[in-house]
Amino acid sequence: QKEVEQDPGPLSVPEGAIVSLNCTYSNSAFQYFMWYRQYSRKGPELLMYTYSSGNKEDGRFTAQVDKSSKYISLFIRDSQPSDSATYLCAMSDFGNEKLTFGTGTRLTIIP
Amino acid sequence: DVKVTQSSRYLVKRTGEKVFLECVQDMDHENMFWYRQDPGLGLRLIYFSYDVKMKEKGDIPEGYSVSREKKERFSLILESASTNQTSMYLCASSFVPNPTSRVGGVSSYEQYFGPGTRLTVT
Repeated sequence: QKEVEQDPGPLSVPEGAIVSLNCTYSNSAFQYFMWYRQYSRKGPELLMYTYSSGNKEDGRFTAQVDKSSKYISLFIRDSQPSDSATYLCAMSDFGNEKLTFGTGTRLTIIP
Repeated sequence: DVKVTQSSRYLVKRTGEKVFLECVQDMDHENMFWYRQDPGLGLRLIYFSYDVKMKEKGDIPEGYSVSREKKERFSLILESASTNQTSMYLCASSFVPNPTSRVGGVSSYEQYFGPGTRLTVT
């Protein structure tokens, strides 16, 4: 079993819909949770960062962490065609410079 | 803004050639990383460097070596390229912040990526 599991998709939703992207993990030591967005033929860019449990909101994006369930989510409200990309979750534990990545979910927003 | 640059966007090499991939970051980051990204396998760490001349093997170091002679530059070397090394190669960097500058008084390690080099070995 992989340390971080992420549904690879692809996921297609109509413009304006709410998108939910998820990752589960097995390492209870993980404390730092990130979401990266990767456009086609580009490098990943950091989208959201969350420490420990709870929610964080940034514009149309909300990141949620439930450490008791070892489950993290990224919600995108009012989705736009420009949100079409691959979304990767990543996480690490304290003192570990290396990140553990999910395999990524490919998302397409249909105009 | 952090900038991580990679020497080539696309590269085509022949089997057996020695290949150099260069990465430069301009934010004085201590840590630098090389990954390869393949469909269905995600990002896999090849090598990690936490300081000049210091390196640590990642998950898949076989067939690769690295060099970090200056803090801003991290090179990935394919000693004898093979077709199974055809992939997207991504470089990343991160800093180790002041432990009191983050939520909860602990440090975190967001990584900043370059645009990637798509290497094809024929």
